[in-house]
Amino acid sequence: SQQGEEDPQALSIQEGENATMNCSYKTSINNLQWYRQNSGRGLVHLILIRSNEREKHSGRLRVTLDTSKKSSSLLITASRAADTASYFCATDTGGFKTIFGAGTRLFVKA
Amino acid sequence: GAGVSQSPSNKVTEKGKDVELRCDPISGHTALYWYRQSLGQGLEFLIYFQGNSAPDKSGLPSDRFSAERTGGSVSTLTIQRTQQEDSAVYLCASSLAYGGNQPQHFGDGTRLSIL
Repeated sequence: SQQGEEDPQALSIQEGENATMNCSYKTSINNLQWYRQNSGRGLVHLILIRSNEREKHSGRLRVTLDTSKKSSSLLITASRAADTASYFCATDTGGFKTIFGAGTRLFVKA
Repeated sequence: GAGVSQSPSNKVTEKGKDVELRCDPISGHTALYWYRQSLGQGLEFLIYFQGNSAPDKSGLPSDRFSAERTGGSVSTLTIQRTQQEDSAVYLCASSLAYGGNQPQHFGDGTRLSIL
């Protein structure tokens, strides 16, 4: 399987609820990034967390990193319809490329 | 420009034709990346440029694919003798410097359809 796999593949919630997406990876990383992609658009960088960090916040976003479990989670609190998008984790293993997962599709119902 | 610009936004062509996709990165960004995204899938890394040079081309799917970057700015991705399996969205991204700790800024992609 791939470096950087998100789960669930798809998530449907009501507006106002929290959304949690997970990312697992296989090899050691230097940092991990989360991106959002709206339908038909390019990816937008949300947040970067370094391997020596455990948690990071940005507005309604909270990212955690557990290097012992090789996993990260992205929490979106008080979700809005505008949060409907695909969310990707991307890992930097120190090689020449950043590896993206297959993404979680989030649908927030108004 | 304010962001990464890609052209054309959509391209429909017949199997066997050559296509050229263009990427205009953010001014001053030295690193440029090309990815391919099939419907509902993640990103497949194709190639990156550090300045004008591409240190590793092993991500290109076949020898029908080539890319160049001139003047440290605009990049073109060329696909020769297109096949139906080349149908996908081709995304370009740039970053201020090369490195996995650099946020990448993406264009909206070129949606390529091979008939």
